[in-house]
Amino acid sequence: EAGVTQFPSHSVIEKGQTVTLRCDPISGHDNLYWYRRVMGKEIKFLLHFVKESKQDESGMPNNRFLAERTGGTYSTLKVQPAELEDSGVYFCASSPLGAEDYEQYFGPGTRLTVT
Amino acid sequence: GNSVTQMEGPVTLSEEAFLTINCTYTATGYPSLFWYVQYPGEGLQLLLKATKADDKGSNKGFEATYRKETTSFHLEKGSVQVSDSAVYFCALYSGAGSYQLTFGKGTKLSVIP
Repeated sequence: EAGVTQFPSHSVIEKGQTVTLRCDPISGHDNLYWYRRVMGKEIKFLLHFVKESKQDESGMPNNRFLAERTGGTYSTLKVQPAELEDSGVYFCASSPLGAEDYEQYFGPGTRLTVT
Repeated sequence: GNSVTQMEGPVTLSEEAFLTINCTYTATGYPSLFWYVQYPGEGLQLLLKATKADDKGSNKGFEATYRKETTSFHLEKGSVQVSDSAVYFCALYSGAGSYQLTFGKGTKLSVIP
């Protein structure tokens, strides 16, 4: 079974540019989550999809971040325009619906550097 | 709100040494507790979990016991190996309508031969 995949693995962009991160969850997992780790800090929750619906987006930092999950499969996270403080590692995770759906499976992350 | 505090790293140990990484938490209700590990170049992997007080999670020689009275979930291993070098994250899930995990800052462990 393939794990959670994320693309790209690294991205370096200039302040003011746009970047789109992609996450492919484990097949059949209806829950999809985005998290972010700014260097040296905690991994922070950004948002949670159930299928194509946003269940919880309480962690999204501001309206420069837009997450989508059309069709309930893969998800994208767009940052527009990027700021220096957006640098960090963006993790995606997925889990199946069910009793133990708190057990989340993480991807390798996308390291975003904004210069 | 929920929070997790874990010991600052980095931690450097010799092979076969005893490992403890402290983790304490603040949460409403009765959270589930986790240790995740991130090996170099890889994603976060669930290492072990405990879902209620006094439960002991264990995997790959690592153990942690859910202590409600001290709100702690310390990670231990009796004899570390070079292959255990990684970043370890303590996390909690409190439910109550939100599926988000709350993480600590991570502790980088380096094991030298």
